[in-house]
Amino acid sequence: GENVEQHPSTLSVQEGDSAVIKCTYSDSASNYFPWYKQELGKRPQLIIDIRSNVGEKKDQRIAVTLNKTAKHFSLHITETQPEDSAVYFCAASNGDQGAQKLVFGQGTRLTINP
Amino acid sequence: GAVVSQHPSWVICKSGTSVKIECRSLDFQATTMFWYRQFPKQSLMLMATSNEGSKATYEQGVEKDKFLINHASLTLSTLTVTSAHPEDSSFYICSALLVYEQFFGPGTRLTVL
Repeated sequence: GENVEQHPSTLSVQEGDSAVIKCTYSDSASNYFPWYKQELGKRPQLIIDIRSNVGEKKDQRIAVTLNKTAKHFSLHITETQPEDSAVYFCAASNGDQGAQKLVFGQGTRLTINP
Repeated sequence: GAVVSQHPSWVICKSGTSVKIECRSLDFQATTMFWYRQFPKQSLMLMATSNEGSKATYEQGVEKDKFLINHASLTLSTLTVTSAHPEDSSFYICSALLVYEQFFGPGTRLTVL
């Protein structure tokens, strides 16, 4: 089955700097890669996603890149703000196998220092 | 956007009792819902896929007789933790599938004494 590895487990950056979180996946059939932000005790919130037919997607300060050959994808947050502090999870799924079962990475605790 | 609710938001029970958690899609119909468990400072682990009108599909290592799932309508799935023990204490989160995106419920924190 699919296995998703996420790094780093913790990341601390100065406010205004950029943050990058990386994930690798094992199943070459995976074709959907969402990123979630989770605050303590809350539900995961989808912040951006990418499908395997594109290599990059951007939404304001957030961008995701996908390298299908290397089977890795990354989250980029620019001009970080204190409210970006949270735990971020990547995930992968293969929608062609029915019910879009998501496999999550281990999570990255991002801290933005003012 | 699509809204998913869970009830209760938290529950404390004694060891050996059963607890039922409800997951509802409020403004859309969901043929498929998912149940996850999240231990402190860990990732979301899929427990089972809940399919309306049919039996749930459980992930390897998840006891189907302990975690009973019922998806009786297109807007409601329930997870019953039977004979709960302290090691079942966790954050249980459901999600409902709309097209290809999963929308998550707010979670239920279960504490078993």
